[in-house]
Amino acid sequence: GQQVMQIPQYQHVQEGEDFTTYCNSSTTLSNIQWYKQRPGGHPVFLIQLVKSGEVKKQKRLTFQFGEAKKNSSLHITATQTTDVGTYFCAGPNAGGTSYGKLTFGQGTILTVHP
Amino acid sequence: DTAVSQTPKYLVTQMGNDKSIKCEQNLGHDTMYWYKQDSKKFLKIMFSYNNKELIINETVPNRFSPKSPDKAHLNLHINSLELGDSAVYFCASRTGGEQYFGPGTRLTVT
Repeated sequence: GQQVMQIPQYQHVQEGEDFTTYCNSSTTLSNIQWYKQRPGGHPVFLIQLVKSGEVKKQKRLTFQFGEAKKNSSLHITATQTTDVGTYFCAGPNAGGTSYGKLTFGQGTILTVHP
Repeated sequence: DTAVSQTPKYLVTQMGNDKSIKCEQNLGHDTMYWYKQDSKKFLKIMFSYNNKELIINETVPNRFSPKSPDKAHLNLHINSLELGDSAVYFCASRTGGEQYFGPGTRLTVT
């Protein structure tokens, strides 16, 4: 079945350092979504990328979708303590049904040391 | 206003018991989901309903039974709870691309 792999599993950074998490799918994706889950919280949607090679920015966050639409990355510039949490990528299942079944990556747990 | 709500937030129970978790969304979405998040944060879909109809049923023990009385509600009943059922259970809903998650129910089976 479809697999979505995410690396690294853990990342510890000093406040002010940059952070990147990478997502790879075993199949071509029609789109990819990113979610953030704060400690003790629930996943919150950040963004959806649809086009091959697409790059989107949200303040200090930069999201990329690979040309082959099989990989994606999230880069945070100058991390802050508010960036702490688990970042998930998620892709729709290979069948592409309209019911939105998502396969989530394992997540990257980001810790920011002040 | 809470978009997706779940009750209870915490549930501690003994092995062998039966318990239910309730979910409600006030977003008018047609599709709702149940996810299980284990201790390593892995999110795995369990069930999905679209307008009260079961459309996704992953490889989940049949001790787990979802029910959707209407499209705004999706409940999860678990029979004969086991230690391995301990996890955080998230309800979610969707109408377009993104999914909206509830606050989660932390289930602890002792």
